Amino acid sequence: EDQVTQSPEALRLQEGESSSLNCSYTVSGLRGLFWYRQDPGKGPEFLFTLYSAGEEKEKERLKATLTKKESFLHITAPKPEDSATYLCAVQADTGTALIFGKGTTLSVSS
Amino acid sequence: GAVVSQHPSRVICKSGTSVKIECRSLDFQATTMFWYRQFPKQSLMLMATSNEGSKATYEQGVEKDKFLINHASLTLSTLTVTSAHPEDSSFYICSAWTENYGYTFGSGTRLTVV
Repeated sequence: EDQVTQSPEALRLQEGESSSLNCSYTVSGLRGLFWYRQDPGKGPEFLFTLYSAGEEKEKERLKATLTKKESFLHITAPKPEDSATYLCAVQADTGTALIFGKGTTLSVSS
Repeated sequence: GAVVSQHPSRVICKSGTSVKIECRSLDFQATTMFWYRQFPKQSLMLMATSNEGSKATYEQGVEKDKFLINHASLTLSTLTVTSAHPEDSSFYICSAWTENYGYTFGSGTRLTVV
């Protein structure tokens, strides 16, 4: 069964304190791994898509990496506006629908 | 970029009534629409997949007679929650998929059944 597990469930950081979020996955065949940001009461906002092990993508303070079993979302020197829930999702070979993890809720305090 | 407009953003209805949620793709044609449900602090759970002009495919455990999905045109898909009950209260999100734009999510609908 295709599955996505994210950790930690919640993360509290001080402004400027870098950290990483983890997404481990089990799929029959990976077409793509996606990272989204979700603010309360809103739909997911696209951040990155990664397709193969070793791939990395960056956007401002965020950097996503991918291995054969997991992905990391690194947050460098976060700011309070980075506070949100970060969702990881995979698209498997078996279909087009995304399979989501439960997300990591990040709180950054100044 | 591609935009999916989802309405309403919030709705409160009485138990036993029906509620319709609309998702419109703006400036592009969505051949495939996914409908998700999200409970507090939970993952987005896929409810059904709909392709324009054909019947929706429902995930195991989702009642197709309760959650009616219509995808009659390439720009509009609707989800109707029939005979809603308090346990149907949740956050519903649609997502359009196309080869050109990938996945585009609506802004979500918070349904509260009282």
